[in-house]
Amino acid sequence: QQQVKQSPQSLIVQKGGISIINCAYENTAFDYFPWYQQFPGKGPALLIAIRPDVSEKKEGRFTISFNKSAKQFSLHIMDSQPGDSATYFCAASRHFGNEKLTFGTGTRLTIIP
Amino acid sequence: GAVVSQHPSWVICKSGTSVKIECRSLDFQATTMFWYRQFPKQSLMLMATSNEGSKATYEQGVEKDKFLINHASLTLSTLTVTSAHPEDSSFYICSARGPGGEQYFGPGTRLTVT
Repeated sequence: QQQVKQSPQSLIVQKGGISIINCAYENTAFDYFPWYQQFPGKGPALLIAIRPDVSEKKEGRFTISFNKSAKQFSLHIMDSQPGDSATYFCAASRHFGNEKLTFGTGTRLTIIP
Repeated sequence: GAVVSQHPSWVICKSGTSVKIECRSLDFQATTMFWYRQFPKQSLMLMATSNEGSKATYEQGVEKDKFLINHASLTLSTLTVTSAHPEDSSFYICSARGPGGEQYFGPGTRLTVT
């Protein structure tokens, strides 16, 4: 019940395209869903996060779509750039982030010219 | 804002010695910090939750006597790997919980035990 399933494991997208990474959760008590970006040898950086009272949140080229009934959420990266090549982790938490995060398994994104 | 630092960024130690890693929240106070371990090409594994002024809460399977955590102030938590062995070699990352509940991560510490 604590798992967060993330797919795909790896993704190759052409420059300028849309990158889409999906996550699914089982615990209906989760109410905070952040996405993190991690470059090799660095710590994860918070990209964007959503709470279940909205179905979509957009920040620049990054958008989270949230489907509460399906218990799924996804990250969309518009106009993908080579600098977006990194590993992306979704996560979920209870009590609006005040409890520990449960992480997905990660997606290695590669943007090719 | 919301910067978390770690020191050292990398450390090499001999088997049997102890290593201390520091995690600091630079521009905010963090009553709660978290310690993670990450193996190559894998996700983050939570080791323990560190609360200022109280004992850390360890995840199942993490040896509390081997991984000592101290959260003595609102901006500093330390992880000490005691009697380190080669299997403890890993990337250790801390995070600090910000005022809105978000977790901000440090840059990580690469530990190599020879």
